[in-house]
Amino acid sequence: DTAVSQTPKYLVTQMGNDKSIKCEQNLGHDTMYWYKQDSKKFLKIMFSYNNKELIINETVPNRFSPKSPDKAHLNLHINSLELGDSAVYFCASSPGENSYNEQFFGPGTRLTVL
Amino acid sequence: GDSVTQMEGPVTLSEEAFLTINCTYTATGYPSLFWYVQYPGEGLQLLLKATKADDKGSNKGFEATYRKETTSFHLEKGSVQVSDSAVYFCALSHALPQKLVFGQGTRLTINP
Repeated sequence: DTAVSQTPKYLVTQMGNDKSIKCEQNLGHDTMYWYKQDSKKFLKIMFSYNNKELIINETVPNRFSPKSPDKAHLNLHINSLELGDSAVYFCASSPGENSYNEQFFGPGTRLTVL
Repeated sequence: GDSVTQMEGPVTLSEEAFLTINCTYTATGYPSLFWYVQYPGEGLQLLLKATKADDKGSNKGFEATYRKETTSFHLEKGSVQVSDSAVYFCALSHALPQKLVFGQGTRLTINP
């Protein structure tokens, strides 16, 4: 069973379009995250949710809007896509907010904006 | 703010060589420290972690010790294998809210 799954795995789209990435975890975790990995492999947190509440919004443009319909799902909607949004987006989850908790990552969604 | 600095890559070694990937951090308080590994085309997996000073994390022959006095968490392995080829990320985390702050990653290639 896949612990953290993301769809789609690849997403190719034109500038200006709106797209969504879905994430689901079946680990029973309370906290979920979105990270962005740029072309140089640098990873940076974008958002985190705890029990459907937004906890972290890390200076991300408001074209990015996360939504958590329940604690097992965290989706990412991106409006008016720009070239600079091309990256790999990783969803992750963890049991709670203790600093020592392992985060479990999904396989990533490679977004290419043309 | 918090930050993590890893040694520049890429690193290329021969099989059975000794591996060290340096990691230093800047942080307030007492963060937890992690090494994550990313195999080609996959997401990140936890390799090992340490939650307080002088703790040693270990897994699959890899080790790292939380050194508060030098703010370091260097990754070591005595004898690497081709299957260890991957990108390795050092990271730290505080609680409340928990978020991972990553180093820039080090690409490791092991040649047979």
